[in-house]
Amino acid sequence: AQKVTQAQTEISVVEKEDVTLDCVYETRDTTYYLFWYKQPPSGELVFLIRRNSFDEQNEISGRYSWNFQKSTSSFNFTITASQVVDSAVYFCALCESTGGYQKVTFGTGTKLQVIP
Amino acid sequence: DAGVIQSPRHEVTEMGQEVTLRCKPISGHDYLFWYRQTMMRGLELLIYFNNNVPIDDSGMPEDRFSAKMPNASFSTLKIQPSEPRDSAVYFCASNWGISGNTIYFGEGSWLTVV
Repeated sequence: AQKVTQAQTEISVVEKEDVTLDCVYETRDTTYYLFWYKQPPSGELVFLIRRNSFDEQNEISGRYSWNFQKSTSSFNFTITASQVVDSAVYFCALCESTGGYQKVTFGTGTKLQVIP
Repeated sequence: DAGVIQSPRHEVTEMGQEVTLRCKPISGHDYLFWYRQTMMRGLELLIYFNNNVPIDDSGMPEDRFSAKMPNASFSTLKIQPSEPRDSAVYFCASNWGISGNTIYFGEGSWLTVV
């Protein structure tokens, strides 16, 4: 069974503050993939990042950074100097192969509100 | 390139009516997924296809729900008869090839059953 936990339901920060969104996953597979998606108020799901289980290098993309720690089964997402446009629901997702096919499970999401 | 295309974007229907949601995946993608999003249950995987063949439909809520993929460029999700508790956003998504490739989502179909 696979499971993705995003314990933070809602977070509010003031603009320009840094914020970290937590994601903890469970899987028995040695090969798996992790994703983060953003869902702005308009409703679409926007892909942010994909990580495979063999690549534990942290990644930075502009104000966004991701910290992948296999030892703690976590894949946390940090936004530096948050902006109002970052207000959205953020989903963490886990993909593992099941009998050669794939199944993707999403966490329940963290709603981020950035206050001007 | 066009992304995943879903229709209708919004639908309001009366309880008991049949609802059909449509999806065109990204050209060349061989996996197609149907998800449902509600406040209570979040994003749930309903069913997914590989090369037009249903692989896992364990997430389909009940017999009122059915999904088909007659060809590589078209899929439908049908609810018959619809009930108010089916009100949700239904997302179609697709990706290509091996497990773990990025899944791209459509804009969703917002269904309200009254």
